[in-house]
Amino acid sequence: DIQMTQSPSSLSASVGDRVTITCRASQNIYNYLNWYQQKPGKVPELLIYGTSSMQTGVPSRFSGSGSGTDYTLTISSLQPEDFASYYCQQSYSIPYTFGQGTKLEIK
Amino acid sequence: QVQLQESGPGLVKPSHTLSLTCTVSGDSVSSGAYYWGWIRQPAGKGLEWIGRIFADGSTVYNPSLESRVNILLDTSRNQLSLRLTSVTAADTAVYYCARERKTVPGTRSLWFDPWGQGTLVTVSS
Repeated sequence: DIQMTQSPSSLSASVGDRVTITCRASQNIYNYLNWYQQKPGKVPELLIYGTSSMQTGVPSRFSGSGSGTDYTLTISSLQPEDFASYYCQQSYSIPYTFGQGTKLEIK
Repeated sequence: QVQLQESGPGLVKPSHTLSLTCTVSGDSVSSGAYYWGWIRQPAGKGLEWIGRIFADGSTVYNPSLESRVNILLDTSRNQLSLRLTSVTAADTAVYYCARERKTVPGTRSLWFDPWGQGTLVTVSS
């Protein structure tokens, strides 16, 4: 199985901050990397697919980048509604695997 | 708008079989552009992919669960179902069904969207 390791596991930040979450795969996943946002008690929602393509309706302050084994999710200016958990997921190889999640909290 | 809704017992006894149904609206489970699958999330923990099914009935499962899991499609009711046998407390989780976008043509999976609301299944006597 491909192991997906996110860092940090939790992060405290303020509204307006720029935040970067990192996801590292245990082997090359050739940009088959997706990001999901999950608010407390809610369903995970697709945020970014294929490393850098934004799902319809996602604000432009979100962006994704990376290649090979290393990928990042960046929020350019945190808004109150962005405080949530974020998960990366590889779709390169079965079984599809997720990172352990990054919980973004208000400072 | 595509919607998925899980249903089934919220409590299952250890060693018994967990059975869930996912009803799809706004799309057809017979669509050749998607797989239909299941993902679970234990309380306070991360996400685990369980498996998927295609319109032709072909399935792929997570090897960690393969000996206990079965996913079926009911095209007449536009539903998919999940059966997990010999459950233990470790199977306690919120179970989600999700549509899995795939390449067309091709078989490569791309991403999960949308997800159902999820249903909590507790394994306890």
